[in-house]
Amino acid sequence: DQQVKQNSPSLSVQEGRISILNCDYTNSMFDYFLWYKKYPAEGPTFLISISSIKDKNEDGRFTVFLNKSAKHLSLHIVPSQPGDSAVYFCAASARTQGGSEKLVFGKGMKLTVNP
Amino acid sequence: DAGITQSPRHKVTETGTPVTLRCHQTENHRYMYWYRQDPEHGLRLIHYSYGVKDTDKGEVSDGYSVSRSKTEDFLLTLESATSSQTSVYFCAISESGAGGIKNIQYFGAGTRLSVL
Repeated sequence: DQQVKQNSPSLSVQEGRISILNCDYTNSMFDYFLWYKKYPAEGPTFLISISSIKDKNEDGRFTVFLNKSAKHLSLHIVPSQPGDSAVYFCAASARTQGGSEKLVFGKGMKLTVNP
Repeated sequence: DAGITQSPRHKVTETGTPVTLRCHQTENHRYMYWYRQDPEHGLRLIHYSYGVKDTDKGEVSDGYSVSRSKTEDFLLTLESATSSQTSVYFCAISESGAGGIKNIQYFGAGTRLSVL
């Protein structure tokens, strides 16, 4: 049962345009959400995060929006650059029975930004 | 870059042989994690550690064991490798398990394991 879903496996956009990456989740107990970017042959790198008590967080060209009622978050990249071409993972943080938090990841989405 | 080193970076082994992957960190972070990445599943947690000799199972722990005898080292062992364990394995670390910004996980470069 996939608790964090990235339903589109890929997205292709033109350089300079907006990229919108979507993520849906099913567990209302998630309290923190993160986006990671992954280049081939490298590990995922942290990109941006948002607490469940907020609806928007912005960092430069990257903005994450959270809609708790819809259990949906999205990552906006404006303007998109060829160097943004990578696989993007959505992740959600859930508290375990032992009290620590674990991340649950989506399957990832490949973004291609064409020059 | 977070100081995380995974070794080996690539390994090819045969079914039934034991395999140990190593993760070494220089950040003195308390939490360490092992994930596997597969195209149809994304990243899935295998085991994690919240301190020396303190470990717990993740989502896909069957067939894997871990050990953490020092803060800086977290070992993942496949006692008897199977073809279904062919995957890319990532180690991650975090400062805290308390949630929020301190739970941001930082990943190593990965180990590509092929079990023939």
